[in-house]
Amino acid sequence: GEDVEQSLFLSVREGDSSVINCTYTDSSSTYLYWYKQEPGAGLQLLTYIFSNMDMKQDQRLTVLLNKKDKHLSLRIADTQTGDSAIYFCAEKYTGTASKLTFGTGTRLQVTL
Amino acid sequence: ETGVTQTPRHLVMGMTNKKSLKCEQHLGHNAMYWYKQSAKKPLELMFVYNFKEQTENNSVPSRFSPECPNSSHLFLHLHTLQPEDSALYLCASSPGGAGGEETQYFGPGTRLLVL
Repeated sequence: GEDVEQSLFLSVREGDSSVINCTYTDSSSTYLYWYKQEPGAGLQLLTYIFSNMDMKQDQRLTVLLNKKDKHLSLRIADTQTGDSAIYFCAEKYTGTASKLTFGTGTRLQVTL
Repeated sequence: ETGVTQTPRHLVMGMTNKKSLKCEQHLGHNAMYWYKQSAKKPLELMFVYNFKEQTENNSVPSRFSPECPNSSHLFLHLHTLQPEDSALYLCASSPGGAGGEETQYFGPGTRLLVL
């Protein structure tokens, strides 16, 4: 079955870059997503990447996709305290119309 | 109001109570979802509706009963729940159909506590 894994916790200093990693098992993934969840809130879509792309940049966010290793990463430049949250990666794979598989989430803590 | 809304935001119920969670989306989408988020567990997909038809039921106990009267509204009816059902219940919607990018947009969730 499909499986998406993330490390549980990451701590960075304000102003540094954060890199959150994700590995997945299904090589037929079509779209891969990054969501952010702040305390007491739902999941907010940050960005997504189509599987035929290697990189996507959106302001402070850079997504890198290594299809060979089935590895996805999210880099946040100039990390701010407001970036403290849980970050989820998710994959959509061929064969299911609307189903996403989510990782366990990485809690990002930004310290001063 | 825009996006995906959920009511109530917080709910405390006894094991013998019956309650309903409501989700409404204002995005013109055709697919809607219920997820359960428990501490230290991955997000669990419960139900999927596409064009008002249920297309996924992830072995959810019958004490959870979904209802989708139209593409904009989704309910989750709850009865005789167990304490382990305490969790954050998230609703999401997406454009619907097959093969597309299908980004899911989430509501703020209902925090449920079963006593």
